Amino acid sequence: QKEVEQDPGPLSVPEGAIVSLNCTYSNSAFQYFMWYRQYSRKGPELLMYTYSSGNKEDGRFTAQVDKSSKYISLFIRDSQPSDSATYLCAMRRESSGDKLTFGTGTRLAVRP
Amino acid sequence: NAGVTQTPKFQVLKTGQSMTLQCAQDMNHNSMYWYRQDPGMGLRLIYYSASEGTTDKGEVPNGYNVSRLNKREFSLRLESAAPSQTSVYFCASSEMSQYFGPGTRLTVT
Repeated sequence: QKEVEQDPGPLSVPEGAIVSLNCTYSNSAFQYFMWYRQYSRKGPELLMYTYSSGNKEDGRFTAQVDKSSKYISLFIRDSQPSDSATYLCAMRRESSGDKLTFGTGTRLAVRP
Repeated sequence: NAGVTQTPKFQVLKTGQSMTLQCAQDMNHNSMYWYRQDPGMGLRLIYYSASEGTTDKGEVPNGYNVSRLNKREFSLRLESAAPSQTSVYFCASSEMSQYFGPGTRLTVT
């Protein structure tokens, strides 16, 4: 079983929809949680960074961490065609330096 | 401020050939990483360097070597390329979070 599980999709939604992307994990030592966005044929770029449990909002994006359920989510409000990309969750332990464990990514398509 | 740069962008090799992928960062980060990304497999760590002068194996190190030339540069070498090494290779550097380069698309025939 992988340490981090992520539904690969693809997920297709109409423009303006609210998108929910999720990851589950098995190791309770993970303390830092990230979401990366990767456009086709580009490198991943950091989208959101959160520590421990709770919510963090940045514009149309909200990251949510539920450590009791070992579940993290990324919500995208008012989705746009430019949000079409692969979204990767990533997480790390306090003791692992900056080494990350990644999910395999969810491909999202937002239809105009 | 270019962030993380990688060369080359594309490369085609024949089985058994060697090559070095170059990576440089201008963010003064201590840690640097090499990943490969394959369909359905996500990002897999090949090697990493926590600081200048140190390197450690990641999840899939076989067939690769690395050199941390200085704080800015971290290179990945394939001594004898195999078709199984056909992939997209990403370099990253980190300070709390990892920042990625644009990638190198490598095909081994």
